[in-house]
Amino acid sequence: KAGVTQTPRYLIKTRGQQVTLSCSPISGHRSVSWYQQTPGQGLQFLFEYFSETQRNKGNFPGRFSGRQFSNSRSEMNVSTLELGDSALYLCASSLIPGNQETQYFGPGTRLLVL
Amino acid sequence: AQSVTQLGSHVSVSEGALVLLRCNYSSSVPPYLFWYVQYPNQGLQLLLKYTSAATLVKGINGFEAEFKKSETSFHLTKPSAHMSDAAEYFCAVSNSGAGSYQLTFGKGTKLSVIP
Repeated sequence: KAGVTQTPRYLIKTRGQQVTLSCSPISGHRSVSWYQQTPGQGLQFLFEYFSETQRNKGNFPGRFSGRQFSNSRSEMNVSTLELGDSALYLCASSLIPGNQETQYFGPGTRLLVL
Repeated sequence: AQSVTQLGSHVSVSEGALVLLRCNYSSSVPPYLFWYVQYPNQGLQLLLKYTSAATLVKGINGFEAEFKKSETSFHLTKPSAHMSDAAEYFCAVSNSGAGSYQLTFGKGTKLSVIP
């Protein structure tokens, strides 16, 4: 069974631009979460989606948004990019939401904002 | 709010020596705890998880962790380090609130293995 896939793997943007990242969960998984990883802040939760609904959002500005499609694939968008948005963005999927559920992570999209 | 503290941002061990990576959590409810490993330029891979079934949890690659409620700890151990264990390790606790779920991670511990 294929793992979580994320595209693109690497991205370079300039300040002020916007970017869209894509995540395809493991087949059959319906819950998708996004995390931002930076050297300074570590791993921080961005959003969680289940059944096309955003169920929770972390402490990030409104420039960060996302959505989930009927096939469980998810996208996240960052508008008006800032230098501080440079990070590894990780997507994770689980069968269903739940504290006991294992979240399986993709390889991430590394975003560099110049 | 739940939180995770990993003691030691960098740990070095000799090949063949015991690996001990420390994790303490705070939680107002029974926690679900996870250890993940991240190799350079890769995502996170699950090593093991605690879901209250047993206090000693065995994971992949010879790692195990023991849940100690009295100490609010979930330390990761491996009897004999291998060069391939060099990576960054993250302890995480699963939060729930209003029916949503997220992982709260520690800052990570980078493990170096000296030949």
